[in-house]
Amino acid sequence: DTGVSQNPRHKITKRGQNVTFRCDPISEHNRLYWYRQTLGQGPEFLTYFQNEAQLEKSRLLSDRFSAERPKGSFSTLEIQRTEQGDSAMYLCASSPQVRDFVSGNTIYFGEGSWLTVV
Amino acid sequence: DQQVKQNSPSLSVQEGRISILNCDYTNSMFDYFLWYKKYPAEGPTFLISISSIKDKNEDGRFTVFLNKSAKHLSLHIVPSQPGDSAVYFCAAKDSNYQLIWGAGTKLIIKP
Repeated sequence: DTGVSQNPRHKITKRGQNVTFRCDPISEHNRLYWYRQTLGQGPEFLTYFQNEAQLEKSRLLSDRFSAERPKGSFSTLEIQRTEQGDSAMYLCASSPQVRDFVSGNTIYFGEGSWLTVV
Repeated sequence: DQQVKQNSPSLSVQEGRISILNCDYTNSMFDYFLWYKKYPAEGPTFLISISSIKDKNEDGRFTVFLNKSAKHLSLHIVPSQPGDSAVYFCAAKDSNYQLIWGAGTKLIIKP
């Protein structure tokens, strides 16, 4: 399967611990997005990369959050000193290029990584 | 402040009938609107979209209508099938190429 892959799918961690999620986008896609989704809400944009460059970060992305895409392929999202409010599903998506984005049908989402902070 | 609102958390429709999902937005600068479908434990998948310069787009059983003056769009599914049971998200694209999402509507198709 060559879709967007995320792992781990589920993570339970104690408050104060660090967690890292990984996203492997579709191989020829240069854009990669991270979203957060809580129950009863739609996805909220966190950040995106064009190749290895992080082009935009949401105000939701506090200084405890850091995302990288070192070689323009896979990406990691790290949350330091987790808080209970960080409990959510973290979605990764990828798309091939900006002008294809407008049609929407070239944005592909992974299955998400569930984080529970206890 | 929610720029994209889906006011119905859930909707129940008889199989074979029409499902109508609604979405309202506040930002007149949105230039593209999209509908995504999400099954439990899966990521959202694209369903259909519409440009702000159009008022209707149709793809098989799915039709999206856009009323710019009312800042309202709707997704019609005809006829509804059991496999359509899912959460439907409305999303709008802003000038920075970001998607602003609604909270979703859970559609339940009754046999």
